[in-house]
Order: sequence, then structure tokens, then C-alpha cells
Amino acid sequence: QITLKESGPTLVKPTQTLTLTCSFSGFSLSARGVGVGWIRQPAGKALEWLALIYWDEDKRYSPSLKSRLTITKDTSKNQVVLTMTNMDPVDTATYYCARRIAVAGIPSGFDIWGEGTMISVSS
Amino acid sequence: DIQMTQSPSTLSASVGDRVTITCRASQSIRSWLAWYQQKPGKAPKLLIYKASSLESGVPSRFSGSGSGTEFTLTISSLQPDDFATYFCQQYNSSFYTFGQGTKLEI
Repeated sequence: QITLKESGPTLVKPTQTLTLTCSFSGFSLSARGVGVGWIRQPAGKALEWLALIYWDEDKRYSPSLKSRLTITKDTSKNQVVLTMTNMDPVDTATYYCARRIAVAGIPSGFDIWGEGTMISVSS
Repeated sequence: DIQMTQSPSTLSASVGDRVTITCRASQSIRSWLAWYQQKPGKAPKLLIYKASSLESGVPSRFSGSGSGTEFTLTISSLQPDDFATYFCQQYNSSFYTFGQGTKLEI
């Protein structure tokens, strides 16, 4: 069974740095074509893609947030970590991690998602 | 950046109806488009990838079509479980982008 689970603080203060961990099982992030990404969603609003890390250490970031984001992976621990600096109340949202694979070399979307973690930014 | 525009934002329909949701890209994304279904309080669920490939386990009443800049998601006969919000997502470029969503309601 493939699962992903997000963990981190539920409340952060403005200007603080948010660190989120995605712990996964049932697949390997060292397998060709595999990636793990982060997506967020403010309540009642659209999904926003944040970052993605691939099996080969390639990293991609949302252009609008690139200066604030860092994504890393620990293959031995089956974890992906996202840090977001200088948090602001507008960053209040549910944060999801999700797997991206390539089926027969054909990239899919995000096929398996975590349940999400709600992050509030407030003083 | 590639922008994704969905229409309509809200769609009212009834059980048994055939419905179509459109997603337009600001530039060609070839066939690198996915569709997701999201229910309140839940994570999105992948329905379609590469514009028209049905994800394993997804009912065949869901279908996707299109290429380049215009794409559609069609539900052939709405079931009660299909009332949800639907998002498209491009993955042609190195940067993924979601549409703003279409809420399908009774």
C-alpha cells in the first residue's frame, strides 16, 4: 500500500520559517521517474503547486515562491522536507504532499496524495 | 508561466446528465494535462493523465480529450458520487499549474 503523510506545526508566526515533512511508504524515491511534490490550498480556493523533487535530485519550484522554498529528500528515511521562509498570513492553507510517477516513461499527474495538514499563520 | 483557465466555475446538473468541463492553457502543453476530483475536506484524486489516459480504478464514465491548448473532461452519466470540484493541471513545463476549479453541483 502506498501512503504519504504530512507533518509539521499547525501554527506559525509571521516571518517565521515553516518546515514540513512528508513521510511516505510503499515506493522508493530512488526509482527512475518518481517524484514527490508539495501543493497547497487555502480554504475554499484553488490548488497551488509549490515544489517537486525527482528521483535524480532534480528540483523544481513555483516561480512566484522560489525565493522562499527549499525542497530536500532523505531516501533512506523515505522523507521529503519542504521549508518555506518568511511566512505570512496569506500562506494559511492546507499543505499536501503527493507522488508523481512515470508510467512506461509517460509522466502522470500526482497519483497518490497525503491527507494534508492545515497550517495557520498568525501572531 | 503557463496559465490554466477552467470553465465554467460552477456547473449545475442532475444525476444521469452528460457534462463537460473545459480547461484552456495560455500556451501549448501538448498532451501533458491531468484532471482531478476533490470532495470537501479530502485530498484531490487523479482521474485522467496525459489528457485522455484513465487512471486505474477510475470509472469509465470519465473521459478526457484535447491537446495543445484546449482540453475537456466529460462525465457521460452523472452519478451521485460525482458531485465535487474538478481541477485541471498542466505538467508540460518544469512548473506545474492548476486551474481554478469547477464546482459540479446538483
